[in-house]
Amino acid sequence: DTGVSQNPRHKITKRGQNVTFRCDPISEHNRLYWYRQTLGQGPEFLTYFQNEAQLEKSRLLSDRFSAERPKGSFSTLEIQRTEQGDSAMYLCATVQGFGNSPLHFGNGTRLTVT
Amino acid sequence: QKEVEQNSGPLSVPEGAIASLNCTYSDRGSQSFFWYRQYSGKSPELIMSIYSNGDKEDGRFTAQLNKASQYVSLLIRDSQPSDSATYLCAVNIGEGGYNKLIFGAGTRLAVHP
Repeated sequence: DTGVSQNPRHKITKRGQNVTFRCDPISEHNRLYWYRQTLGQGPEFLTYFQNEAQLEKSRLLSDRFSAERPKGSFSTLEIQRTEQGDSAMYLCATVQGFGNSPLHFGNGTRLTVT
Repeated sequence: QKEVEQNSGPLSVPEGAIASLNCTYSDRGSQSFFWYRQYSGKSPELIMSIYSNGDKEDGRFTAQLNKASQYVSLLIRDSQPSDSATYLCAVNIGEGGYNKLIFGAGTRLAVHP
């Protein structure tokens, strides 16, 4: 149990459908990150929250992707009009406080777009 | 040039040997460096963190950092088959309290009996 909870664990959807993933951080962790990982690659940064504020969104992220963290606790990542290229593992990671502490990852949500 | 580079492997070592994994990074301002282990289909788990030049040891693992050469490595002593996994090097990009980790593509390690 990593302490960071992600749901669902797996999601299969048809191209063009919308999907939403949820991340529940370790309770005292104020910083939350979303990463995407495809086969044979390392995790790729998508976006970052400090409490409820979204402070950075990757330039590589299309407008079909949106993330929220409304009360500074759980976060959602939505992908609209999914494409086959969106198939990947979506990872949430959190960390407490400030500075350069390591990130703690959840178990991830594996998305398959058919 | 990628921000964090690793050899993709696979690196194959016999059980009991030392496995040496290497990583280079491009941002001279980076101050924090991490090694994560990732088993197939699982999420990354932290093995080591290192912040200053030199060696840092934790059990069978030793992380080495050389900021002048922009190089960080991980040594695994007495390698076990259970160490077979992908090892991800991660480097902090950013200043102050903003901690964005950039990952390399990972090196796949295979430890054979």
